[in-house]
Amino acid sequence: DQQVKQNSPSLSVQEGRISILNCDYTNSMFDYFLWYKKYPAEGPTFLISISSIKDKNEDGRFTVFLNKSAKHLSLHIVPSQPGDSAVYFCAASAYGTSYGKLTFGQGTILTVHP
Amino acid sequence: EAQVTQNPRYLITVTGKKLTVTCSQNMNHEYMSWYRQDPGLGLRQIYYSMNVEVTDKGDVPEGYKVSRKEKRNFPLILESPSPNQTSLYFCASSPQGAGNEQFFGPGTRLTVL
Repeated sequence: DQQVKQNSPSLSVQEGRISILNCDYTNSMFDYFLWYKKYPAEGPTFLISISSIKDKNEDGRFTVFLNKSAKHLSLHIVPSQPGDSAVYFCAASAYGTSYGKLTFGQGTILTVHP
Repeated sequence: EAQVTQNPRYLITVTGKKLTVTCSQNMNHEYMSWYRQDPGLGLRQIYYSMNVEVTDKGDVPEGYKVSRKEKRNFPLILESPSPNQTSLYFCASSPQGAGNEQFFGPGTRLTVL
């Protein structure tokens, strides 16, 4: 039972264009969502998060959108850069930020071509 | 430097031989957690700890044990490893809870023959 799903295993974009990574969830108790980025041979690093009381959060080139009715979130990277090439994981938590359980999606491999 | 360290980074072992993967953080974080990464499955949570002496199961706890006797350390114990525990393991910590930014260790690549 995959409660968080990233249905696109990979995405390829040209440098300077927009990258859109998608994530769907099924558990309506999820109320906090995070994106992590992972380079090969390294641990994941935090990218951006959003609470269910918001529908958008921006941090520089990265914007996360949340559509609660559709149980869908997306990460937009504008403009995309070759250094953004990595695996991106979305994750979801219930009961606020202080709860212990975190559920990740399968990940999407982003490749940004120069 | 603020960091999460894991040891060993690589380990090849045989079925049934007990092993421990250590995890240590120097950020005075309350929360620590263990994950495994497998192809096509993403990251899955094994166990987490909200504070010293407080641990709880994640989504895939079978075959694993943990302990949290000190705030900085959160070892992962495989009492009798099996080949299906061959995976890439990550330890992580955060100030308070899974919804906060977690800091991950570099990973431990475990192979069980």
